[in-house]
Amino acid sequence: AQKITQTQPGMFVQEKEAVTLDCTYDTSDPSYGLFWYKQPSSGEMIFLIYQGSYDQQNATEGRYSLNFQKARKSANLVISASQLGDSAMYFCAMRGGWNTGNQFYFGTGTSLTVIP
Amino acid sequence: NAGVTQTPKFQVLKTGQSMTLQCAQDMNHEYMSWYRQDPGMGLRLIHYSVGAGITDQGEVPNGYNVSRSTTEDFPLRLLSAAPSQTSVYFCASSYSRTEYYEQYFGPGTRLTVT
Repeated sequence: AQKITQTQPGMFVQEKEAVTLDCTYDTSDPSYGLFWYKQPSSGEMIFLIYQGSYDQQNATEGRYSLNFQKARKSANLVISASQLGDSAMYFCAMRGGWNTGNQFYFGTGTSLTVIP
Repeated sequence: NAGVTQTPKFQVLKTGQSMTLQCAQDMNHEYMSWYRQDPGMGLRLIHYSVGAGITDQGEVPNGYNVSRSTTEDFPLRLLSAAPSQTSVYFCASSYSRTEYYEQYFGPGTRLTVT
């Protein structure tokens, strides 16, 4: 069964500090994609970063990086130099292979608050 | 490109009423899906479609119907609204037959059933 687990319901970080949001996943698919989305208080879902299961290097997008540890089935999001605008809900997601209809599976989210 | 559009943005229904949430995308994506978001539960998949004429159930399909007659549109029908269907509904689209492409989300519909 496909499953995404985010164990941190809420996190606090000081402005300009780095923060790691945890995500573990479970899948039997040999090929899958891992994604992080941000949901600010305004409600829209914003795509942040993607990692393919066969990618050797960790993905980076500006201040976001994805710490991918395949053997541990973890895909943690690292936000460097936190800003007040980073305060939001963050969702980890996995996209499975064709035999599961390429469905997306989401975690329950982590609420991040950046403290000035 | 408008991306993924959803109407209405807000809706209040009485128990037992039916309605259709509209979703359209202009990116020629084969894959479209509907989620509901409830506090503390993340996004739960209601129904999805991998192309016109093909739909399938997700995790929480009861009480909802979908159809996909065109690539662009994927409406979600509530057959007989219940208070348990009070939620925020998101439509999303993506390319199909790949696990390596993100979903684009619509702005959401906030539904209240009284």
